[in-house]
Amino acid sequence: GIQVEQSPPDLILQEGANSTLRCNFSDSVNNLQWFHQNPWGQLINLFYIPSGTKQNGRLSATTVATERYSLLYISSSQTTDSGVYFCAALATGTASKLTFGTGTRLQVTL
Amino acid sequence: DVKVTQSSRYLVKRTGEKVFLECVQDMDHENMFWYRQDPGLGLRLIYFSYDVKMKEKGDIPEGYSVSREKKERFSLILESASTNQTSMYLCASSRLDRANEKLFFGSGTQLSVL
Repeated sequence: GIQVEQSPPDLILQEGANSTLRCNFSDSVNNLQWFHQNPWGQLINLFYIPSGTKQNGRLSATTVATERYSLLYISSSQTTDSGVYFCAALATGTASKLTFGTGTRLQVTL
Repeated sequence: DVKVTQSSRYLVKRTGEKVFLECVQDMDHENMFWYRQDPGLGLRLIYFSYDVKMKEKGDIPEGYSVSREKKERFSLILESASTNQTSMYLCASSRLDRANEKLFFGSGTQLSVL
């Protein structure tokens, strides 16, 4: 099955800094999503982005499907951005079950 | 907004007990999923369902079963709970349309089996 790898595994930022999280996947995909899990465990869907670029406030994401990677950008980070960021992918032609990466744990400090 | 509701936030059970975890979604989604999340292992799919009374095994179905009698409700059953099933359990739902299968999660159930 498809392999999904995220980097870095851990990231510590000062408030106000920018960061880039990466997600590599091993097959062509028709579904790629980014999630944020807050410190209380709730997983929030940030982006559905199998290709192209999307922006939502201080967050944006870009997927380059032909090169099999996706990037999540966080600008002007805030302490509320802390948590774990997951990407998940569905390989083209497979059934409806996403494969998740192991996540990037982000800590934003004052 | 889509709402996926899991019946319990925390649950403590004894080894050998039968455990039911309930999940309800309010957006008429066809697909429903059960994941477990363990430190260092990420999210692993246990079972999913794409229609009433239909189910498919995920990556780690052993020791679990599921029930989907109504479209909005998907239950995870631990027939005889064991300590290695102590974990965070997450329910999710999505539309069947492959072009728009955005996944929405419940708030999770932290299960401890003693």
